[in-house]
This record gives sequence, structure tokens and C-alpha cells, in this order.
Amino acid sequence: DAKTTQPNSMESNEEEPVHLPCNHSTISGTDYIHWYRQLPSQGPEYVIHGLTSNVNNRMASLAIAEDRKSSTLILHRATLRDAAVYYCILRAFYNQGGKLIFGQGTELSVKP
Amino acid sequence: DTEVTQTPKHLVMGMTNKKSLKCEQHMGHRAMYWYKQKAKKPPELMFVYSYEKLSINESVPSRFSPECPNSSLLNLHLHALQPEDSALYLCASSRGLAGLSSGANVLTFGAGSRLTVL
Repeated sequence: DAKTTQPNSMESNEEEPVHLPCNHSTISGTDYIHWYRQLPSQGPEYVIHGLTSNVNNRMASLAIAEDRKSSTLILHRATLRDAAVYYCILRAFYNQGGKLIFGQGTELSVKP
Repeated sequence: DTEVTQTPKHLVMGMTNKKSLKCEQHMGHRAMYWYKQKAKKPPELMFVYSYEKLSINESVPSRFSPECPNSSLLNLHLHALQPEDSALYLCASSRGLAGLSSGANVLTFGAGSRLTVL
């Protein structure tokens, strides 16, 4: 499985934008980039995913580098509820039997 | 219904007990997953079922026995566990894993069952 690298932790101020980086230099051409987050005492929840183009949804935006070796999850206005561990995950186009493998993730704290 | 429901929320068991964790979804998903998560660590994949058949077993010890009786239900049977098996057990589901773009399928997770083995 291709590997992702994320900072262990990041801090943000409430109501400011947050850019969470992810490096995936060994990504293959058909790997999807997924982001999940896990709030304290909850199961992980899906945030966003993309293949080549930038993506927006109601939760966040995903900016994918042109060479696809890195991506950035953008939270446009952080709230205290966004404090969570954010996981960047590569998932094979043909899905390799169903694996979604979590890396270490980035723990985001949001200050009021 | 867009939820994955896991029961029980908490379970305490002795090393000689037999117990089961249950997971249910009614989203029409045909893939279901078990993950194990220790404190301050990422979830680790244990098993994947696709169309009620076991498709992945990540070398999990046989004291954990999964079962998928139908497309909505996933069980994890526990027997002769060790204290180090104490963890949060997470269930997830997604659309089926056949098809060219199944790598885009999104997982919906339950809140987990917290297991303590004494």
C-alpha cells in the first residue's frame, strides 16, 4: 500500500482557515486520496476524497498537487467542533480487496 | 437510515468468557469491516466482508471470529481473549467492492464497542 506522511499535530484559531498537508510521493496513478477525521470518543467519519482534480464539499476542500505527490485538506473556518485527528489515506482504484489503511494522522487542536 | 449501529457500547469480559459484538446497517451496503483501535493509535483493519463473503483477514488471531449472516449484519465472536485485546472495536460499511471505481467508495463507521478484558 502506498504510504502517506502527515504532521503529528497542528494548532489553529477558531474561525480561521486550516490547511492540513499530506505527502504521498509513492502514489500510483489510480489511487484515490481520502480524508477521514475522528472526533474524541467517536468512530472515524468521512470528510472528502478525490482522484486528480480539486474537490469541494460542505465540510472541506481538497487541493491535489499537479503531480499528485501531495494534497491539502482545507477547512475554511475552523470551529471548536473541528478538533479531531485527521487521516489522509490512499485507496487503490481497484480497491485491493477492500483495504482502507489508516496512517498516524494529524491531531488538530482549535483554540477559541 | 445513514448509520452503522454497534452493540454493546461497552463490554467487560474475563479471559475464559465467550461474547459477541454486533454491527448493523440498513444503507444497502454490501461491504462490511471490523477495525481495532488502541488508545492514541489509528484504527487497524481486521476483517473485510464483501457480499457476505470474507475477503480480507489481516492475520487476526483465531480467538476473534467474524460472521456475516446477511448483508445488513456483521458479528465478531470473541473467545479466550487476552487483556491486551482490550480496545475499541469499530465496524464500518461501504458500497460493494466490485467495480472499477470501488476505490472511491466511502466508509461509514459506527461509534464502536469498547472492550475490556480482565
